[in-house]
Amino acid sequence: KAGVTQTPRYLIKTRGQQVTLSCSPISGHRSVSWYQQTPGQGLQFLFEYFSETQRNKGNFPGRFSGRQFSNSRSEMNVSTLELGDSALYLCASTSGATDTQYFGPGTRLTVL
Amino acid sequence: QKEVEQDPGPLSVPEGAIVSLNCTYSNSAFQYFMWYRQYSRKGPELLMYTYSSGNKEDGRFTAQVDKSSKYISLFIRDSQPSDSATYLCAMTRMDSSYKLIFGSGTRLLVRP
Repeated sequence: KAGVTQTPRYLIKTRGQQVTLSCSPISGHRSVSWYQQTPGQGLQFLFEYFSETQRNKGNFPGRFSGRQFSNSRSEMNVSTLELGDSALYLCASTSGATDTQYFGPGTRLTVL
Repeated sequence: QKEVEQDPGPLSVPEGAIVSLNCTYSNSAFQYFMWYRQYSRKGPELLMYTYSSGNKEDGRFTAQVDKSSKYISLFIRDSQPSDSATYLCAMTRMDSSYKLIFGSGTRLLVRP
């Protein structure tokens, strides 16, 4: 089975721009979660989608948003980028059978 | 106070040593516990997951959960240089969402 894939792997943007990141979960997994990882804050939960519905949301500003499509693929969007948004953004898909989350390689976003 | 506490290390051990990694947590609602390994510039890789108190063994890895003490451990036997990575504990309440709360991670270095 193919793992979780994320595109793009690397991204450089400037302050004020917006960005869209994409995630394809493992085949058959209906839940997709997004996390932000920074050296200072570690791994923090952004939001989770299940069957195209947002089930939970972390403590991030409204500039961070996401969506899930009928094929379970998910996108997250960050608008009006700030320097502090520079991070590794990780997507995880969850097996409904075992409730375990599998992570993709991440998208490294640099905001200049 | 963070919900999950983990010593950031770094922890340096000689090859072949037994490694003990630990996390404490404050929320007694956590029911599902995981250990992830993360190599530099990669996404976290699931190593172990447990649902109840007690021990679970998989090859050189043993996960231990003590819910009464709110304490979880990961033991690595016969450690190898390839085990050098950051180890993250994670846990969830297993309600209607797969939101994971992570520890800050412990950097492990296994010296040849």
